Amino acid sequence: EVQLLESGGGLVQPGGSLGLSCAASGFTFSTYGVSWVRQAPGKGLEWVSTISGSGAGTYYADSVKGRFTISRDNSKNTLYLQMNSLRAEDTAVYYCAKMVSYYFASWGQGTLVTVSS
Amino acid sequence: QTVVTQEPSFSVSPGGTVTLTCGLSSGSVSSSNYPSWYQQTPGQAPRTLIYSTSTRSSGVPDRFSGSILGNKAALTITGAQADDECDYYCVLYMGGGTRVFGGGTKLTVL
Repeated sequence: EVQLLESGGGLVQPGGSLGLSCAASGFTFSTYGVSWVRQAPGKGLEWVSTISGSGAGTYYADSVKGRFTISRDNSKNTLYLQMNSLRAEDTAVYYCAKMVSYYFASWGQGTLVTVSS
Repeated sequence: QTVVTQEPSFSVSPGGTVTLTCGLSSGSVSSSNYPSWYQQTPGQAPRTLIYSTSTRSSGVPDRFSGSILGNKAALTITGAQADDECDYYCVLYMGGGTRVFGGGTKLTVL
């Protein structure tokens, strides 16, 4: 059974940094791309970033490009998201998702990031 | 800036059929956008329903179907049930590794 467990969320001040992790199990992690998707309180889903299975390909939404960095450690079956220069509008539940081809096949339960002073 | 459009809300009677759509602010949706659909109840993670336009994800009942209708992707629910009342999101692949979610449709069954 595929399991994705996000961690690292919390309260951070505007302009600050925070790192998220997503521990994966139940599948051959290095074979699949993985993504971060977020959802602001009361709002819709927003794609944030995707990384290929090898880690060679990384892709970002314009809203986070230059501020967020996605990475992975295939030896630890873990996905990361380093978030810098955080803004109030980055406040959201952040989900990690396993990619199969072009779609989000499995989802974690999410971790809440709150950017506020 | 690409905008993916969905109906903000829709209503269907129990047992009825409803078609939700997913379009582009500029241009047509095609199979090359690999449309996918997700269902989300409040406070829960999304659930994958449909991918690559019309393929049902494992465990999804066949009353959910996907298609291209005209210049949009479509999700049709046949025989709507009370627990279908939730939010539905489409995603389109825009090339270059990027994806865009639609704003979501809040479906009411009454």
